[in-house]
Amino acid sequence: AQSVSQHNHHVILSEAASLELGCNYSYGGTVNLFWYVQYPGQHLQLLLKYFSGDPLVKGIKGFEAEFIKSKFSFNLRKPSVQWSDTAEYFCAVRSSGNTGKLIFGQGTTLQVKP
Amino acid sequence: DTEVTQTPKHLVMGMTNKKSLKCEQHMGHRAMYWYKQKAKKPPELMFVYSYEKLSINESVPSRFSPECPNSSLLNLHLHALQPEDSALYLCASRRDVGGNEQFFGPGTRLTVL
Repeated sequence: AQSVSQHNHHVILSEAASLELGCNYSYGGTVNLFWYVQYPGQHLQLLLKYFSGDPLVKGIKGFEAEFIKSKFSFNLRKPSVQWSDTAEYFCAVRSSGNTGKLIFGQGTTLQVKP
Repeated sequence: DTEVTQTPKHLVMGMTNKKSLKCEQHMGHRAMYWYKQKAKKPPELMFVYSYEKLSINESVPSRFSPECPNSSLLNLHLHALQPEDSALYLCASRRDVGGNEQFFGPGTRLTVL
């Protein structure tokens, strides 16, 4: 069965620190990969996605992620976080052969201290 | 219009009540989804509709009954819920089952007393 693992459950950073959130998935075939963000009290928003092509993907708000197929990883990065990045971050994977079902990781709570 | 709307935003109901959640999108998407999300947890898929037909039911209890009256509208009928069903219920849509990303609505915060 497919699964998604996010290594960091709770991350606390100071403003301007660099961020990297880990995401690994288990599925041997073609996958589509996503990072979603959920700000406090708000709905899920897509940060970025990878379908094919350049494995380094740039998203909104200065976020980027790198797909490393050999490591089954899709880590999220941001060079300098802001207080407004405080949120819950979810990695998700969708295999190409199913009916569009997304498998989410358990989420990472990011707290940025001003 | 590039959004998914959900009503109501908040709902409080007793265990004997019958209520419905509503989801709407006007992006021409043909796949629509219901998810349940508990605090600090990822969304859990409940149902998938593809071209107005139910294609996935993730073994959801029958006290949750989905309905897709047309391609823009998705309902979730609730009856005899339990307090543990209290959660954020999210609707999402996608262009079609094989395409692109899902767009999520803001959710309905449900409390069952």
